[in-house]
Amino acid sequence: DVKVTQSSRYLVKRTGEKVFLECVQDMDHENMFWYRQDPGLGLRLIYFSYDVKMKEKGDIPEGYSVSREKKERFSLILESASTNQTSMYLCASSPPGDGYTFGSGTRLTVV
Amino acid sequence: GQNIDQPTEMTATEGAIVQINCTYQTSGFNGLFWYQQHAGEAPTFLSYNVLDGLEEKGRFSSFLSRSKGYSYLLLKELQMKDSASYLCAVSPNAGNNRKLIWGLGTSLAVNP
Repeated sequence: DVKVTQSSRYLVKRTGEKVFLECVQDMDHENMFWYRQDPGLGLRLIYFSYDVKMKEKGDIPEGYSVSREKKERFSLILESASTNQTSMYLCASSPPGDGYTFGSGTRLTVV
Repeated sequence: GQNIDQPTEMTATEGAIVQINCTYQTSGFNGLFWYQQHAGEAPTFLSYNVLDGLEEKGRFSSFLSRSKGYSYLLLKELQMKDSASYLCAVSPNAGNNRKLIWGLGTSLAVNP
């Protein structure tokens, strides 16, 4: 089975901190995605990548950056955390022409 | 624009059948996905339709009509564990990137 692992299930950070969310997949998938999910707003794409060192902005990239130095790892960075970034963050990966496998999610609270 | 519509909430009884509808307007079409998401957990893949017709997988079936921009997910012999949110997603593009357009999800409550 494809496994997508997110480093933390729950995280509490202070306003202004730099936050790193890590995601690792073990099936050599080209595509990786970062979403946030909020009640009533559904899944919103932050950034995605379909190759090492390649990244593209999604629908809500402001306040975030990403890094993909190795194929299996896709990191989401909150440059200066703010309370409106409190959310569930979901990483996903997929091979070309197929559906997504999601990680278990990181519930981030910024205080 | 690109849009996916599905009902916000549905309620059904254990043992019954429920149909969750999804309509879409997208710039292109390269397949439709259904995902299940239990509260506090990540979405998990249920089905994929790219051609018109019905795909059956155990208690779950998914139907697609591309000419109508319409799909439904049919859940039979409902169980309490089927209480979850059901997400419809469309791939508007062929090719590698597979960026999906997501509906907001239908929250299904199964009552005893």
